[in-house]
Amino acid sequence: GDSVTQTEGLVTLTEGLPVMLNCTYQTIYSNPFLFWYVQHLNESPRLLLKSFTDNKRTEHQGFHATLHKSSSSFHLQKSSAQLSDSALYYCALSMDSNYQLIWGSGTKLIIKP
Amino acid sequence: AQTIHQWPVAEIKAVGSPLSLGCTIKGKSSPNLYWYWQATGGTLQQLFYSITVGQVESVVQLNLSASRPKDDQFILSTEKLLLSHSGFYLCAWSLGWGEEQYFGPGTRLTVL
Repeated sequence: GDSVTQTEGLVTLTEGLPVMLNCTYQTIYSNPFLFWYVQHLNESPRLLLKSFTDNKRTEHQGFHATLHKSSSSFHLQKSSAQLSDSALYYCALSMDSNYQLIWGSGTKLIIKP
Repeated sequence: AQTIHQWPVAEIKAVGSPLSLGCTIKGKSSPNLYWYWQATGGTLQQLFYSITVGQVESVVQLNLSASRPKDDQFILSTEKLLLSHSGFYLCAWSLGWGEEQYFGPGTRLTVL
């Protein structure tokens, strides 16, 4: 079945270093939609990025990701981590034949000074 | 603009007592609606979704039920709470297939 894998449960970085959170997915559907959500402590998740275009970089609030259908990946990156980036990050998959989002297990990102 | 409201904001309940949580969406006609649960320090768990009034699909059984009595309203309930029901309950909506979901502010439930 369809699935999303986030291999890191916890990532701890020093402020100023680059961020990369991994996301791979599995689906038989050829036109998936991929999303990154961010959830800060005691808040609800909000959309950070989305894409359905192969090999096109999408950016928002300093973060970027590129959907690579050849490798079924949608990794989240940022060039320089900030303390305020500390949060839980979810990768999610959707197909336009499905009403649901398929969620990854989430990656907790902790940025230290 | 669309707004999503959840009630109550927080609730403390006894084991074995009933529960009803609500969610309303304003400014959007016939949205898809979703219920999620998140244990403290845990990850999102999708519970139910609904694409139309009166129809609810279950994703995970946690001794909870859901109903959609109106186009803009989604209710989560149980007749008997368990300790394991504690957590953060989130309602979300989307426009349709392949679309992102927008989350409400959530209800924090503590079962004692």
